[in-house]
Parts: sequence; structure tokens; C-alpha cells
Amino acid sequence: KAGVTQTPRYLIKTRGQQVTLSCSPISGHRSVSWYQQTPGQGLQFLFEYFSETQRNKGNFPGRFSGRQFSNSRSEMNVSTLELGDSALYLCASRWTGEYGYTFGSGTRLTVV
Amino acid sequence: GESVGLHLPTLSVQEGDNSIINCAYSNSASDYFIWYKQESGKGPQFIIDIRSNMDKRQGQRVTVLLNKTVKHLSLQIAATQPGDSAVYFCAERDTGNQFYFGTGTSLTVIP
Repeated sequence: KAGVTQTPRYLIKTRGQQVTLSCSPISGHRSVSWYQQTPGQGLQFLFEYFSETQRNKGNFPGRFSGRQFSNSRSEMNVSTLELGDSALYLCASRWTGEYGYTFGSGTRLTVV
Repeated sequence: GESVGLHLPTLSVQEGDNSIINCAYSNSASDYFIWYKQESGKGPQFIIDIRSNMDKRQGQRVTVLLNKTVKHLSLQIAATQPGDSAVYFCAERDTGNQFYFGTGTSLTVIP
């Protein structure tokens, strides 16, 4: 079956702009999480959605938001982009909380 | 909060040797642990997992060891191959089903 699909793969934005990233989970997975990955920082948890509800949220400013649709697809949005937002944004899905994640290949965001 | 740390940020091994990657975790209540492998340009890929009621689990060429007494996790890769070169992350799951990841260890296999 298809894996976790993230679009786009690469993005270049300028400071102050906003961006929307998309994630399609594995079919049947209802939980979708987003992580930010930067060199030396590892994977920083952004938020998790389950059945269209945000279940957990990491320690990120309100400029970072997300949502999940009824088909479990998810989007995350970053408004008023800053240079420090440049990172690899990873989406991961899982069947339930009992299991580990399957990750997508990520969206590489560069803010200039 | 949680903290998951790795003892060494980089590791170089000769092809054919065994590799050991270590990880320390801080939450004694964490009940489930996963090792992920991330190759350049890709997302992390599941390697092996272990639950807290076990101290050892083996997969194909990989073994995970869990020492709850000292809150230590290790990944052993037997007969390391060039394709094993990647960044390896450990992750722990807390009682709220939330995963926390370490910063990763970069493994380089020398041919």
C-alpha cells in the first residue's frame, strides 16, 4: 500500500510569507503528526491530529497551525515566516497510539 | 518533559564490523521504544521496536537492548554494510502515547 505522501517536496519562501504543507497518511491511519527537523535539533514535535481533532501540541508559536480533514489528510500552515523556520517538515501517520509512526519523505522549506 | 539523548553524534565503522549505537532516555515511565533510520533525503524509517517488558529483541541483522535500570537503549547492527550508513534515531513513547526523539547518531560505514 502507498506510504505517507507529502507535498510539495521543496519550497522556497521569503520572510513574512505564509506556507501550507500537505500530508496524505497511509490508508486506514487516522493519526497524523507533524515534526520539524533541523540540523542538530533532531525531530521537534509540532502537533498530532486524530479524527480531525488536535490531540497534542508541541512547544511552537501560534504561527504554526494544522488541521485534519475527514479523509485523514492533513495540512500544516506557517504564517509570517521567519528565517529560523527553514527546516525539513515531516509528517507521520499511525494506526493508533499503540504503534510507531510511518514517516513521509518530508517537505524541505527554505525561508530567504 | 522528556529528553532522549544519544551518547555519540557520529560513529564510523569498518564494513563487516558490528555497530553499536546508544541512547539514553529520561522517563522511567516510557513503555515503548523505537529505532529509526534516516537516509539522506528521506524520512525516518522504522527499524525495530521494543516494549518495556522486554530487555532484548532481534530482527534481521539488528538487535535492540533495553536496560531499564539505567534507562539505556542500544541498537546493534551485525556485519555493517555500506547501505547502513545513515542517521539513527531512538524514540520513546510516554504514557500519553507521545513519542520523543533524540537528535540522532550519524553512522558512516567505511568500505
